[in-house]
Amino acid sequence: DTAVSQTPKYLVTQMGNDKSIKCEQNLGHDTMYWYKQDSKKFLKIMFSYNNKELIINETVPNRFSPKSPDKAHLNLHINSLELGDSAVYFCASSPRGFDDTGELFFGEGSRLTVL
Amino acid sequence: SQQGEEDPQALSIQEGENATMNCSYKTSINNLQWYRQNSGRGLVHLILIRSNEREKHSGRLRVTLDTSKKSSSLLITASRAADTASYFCATEENAGNMLTFGGGTRLMVKP
Repeated sequence: DTAVSQTPKYLVTQMGNDKSIKCEQNLGHDTMYWYKQDSKKFLKIMFSYNNKELIINETVPNRFSPKSPDKAHLNLHINSLELGDSAVYFCASSPRGFDDTGELFFGEGSRLTVL
Repeated sequence: SQQGEEDPQALSIQEGENATMNCSYKTSINNLQWYRQNSGRGLVHLILIRSNEREKHSGRLRVTLDTSKKSSSLLITASRAADTASYFCATEENAGNMLTFGGGTRLMVKP
């Protein structure tokens, strides 16, 4: 069974559209993250949730809205997509929270292409 | 925000050789981690070294940490073609804080 799963793996869409990426983890972890990896492979954190509560929001435009219906799921909704949003988005989870980040378990990524 | 920087950006070696990658960071840290990313895949955790540790081993991997120089190195011994991947260091500035990743070293191991 996949530990951290993301859907869809590939997403091609037009500028101005709204899209969502879903993430689920079956590891029982309390903390989940969204990272963005650009074309130069730089990884930047976007959001962190601990037990359904938003912990970190790293200067991400308001067009990006994470939603955590329960601690096993962290979805990412993007409104009014722009060309610069094209990237690979990674979901990750960690068994720890406030006192120690620990290792991250990553999903396989969702490659978003905005035309 | 703080970001680790890997050096070199790219490394090409022959199978059987050792590969050394370096990571430098800017502020004090709680721990430093190394991850591997195969092409088109997610990142996989390799090893975590805490700020009070100087060296750690895991199989063919050896990680060192020099907090006075704010640097870490990842050594892969007896490399294999399957080690071809990008390797990232990530730092946690304070306990419970987010991990900040560097830009990665792209390692190619030729058979």
